[in-house]
Amino acid sequence: GAVVSQHPSRVICKSGTSVKIECRSLDFQATTMFWYRQFPKKSLMLMATSNEGSKATYEQGVEKDKFLINHASLTLSTLTVTSAHPEDSSFYICSARSPGQGAGELFFGEGSRLTVL
Amino acid sequence: EDQVTQSPEALRLQEGESSSLNCSYTVSGLRGLFWYRQDPGKGPEFLFTLYSAGEEKEKERLKATLTKKESFLHITAPKPEDSATYLCAVLAGGTSYGKLTFGQGTILTVHP
Repeated sequence: GAVVSQHPSRVICKSGTSVKIECRSLDFQATTMFWYRQFPKKSLMLMATSNEGSKATYEQGVEKDKFLINHASLTLSTLTVTSAHPEDSSFYICSARSPGQGAGELFFGEGSRLTVL
Repeated sequence: EDQVTQSPEALRLQEGESSSLNCSYTVSGLRGLFWYRQDPGKGPEFLFTLYSAGEEKEKERLKATLTKKESFLHITAPKPEDSATYLCAVLAGGTSYGKLTFGQGTILTVHP
């Protein structure tokens, strides 16, 4: 079945540094990928829609200069958390839909847990 | 604003003890309701899509049903491996196909 891979699965960084998270669709092309954020025991919140070859679409309240999204190819989207601070610590998950899947039927990556010290 | 509320927040069952999880929703023009399973430290795994009231879907010990206001995930004779967080999400009409609104999830623990 379709697989979405994220890397790294865990990252710890110092406050003020930038962190890049990669999301790859391994066996299908994804013109659109989605980045979610999940707080402990909370629901997933959509941060932005990543569009191949164009600018990402950010949800209300999400700082586009803080969370840089690049969708350089049909199989790769990256999320860069710039100048990270402890409040950016969270579980970040990407997702994509495989061609042939219904709307809303997404394949999710394994997630990346970011801890900012 | 689209809203999804799941109950209970946590549910503990003995192996073989059947039960149901609830997902109540308010959405403008439901395009689909989705159930996902999430294991600790992992991304969600797609389970079911329901499109219209009265629809039912089954997979092994799980059955999902849908009304105009809520959805139920019935678990029949659960096993410990069914322990996970079950997430409900809705897709509203006129939105991007991935712009799901998720509930906060129900943490299911099945004891042997």
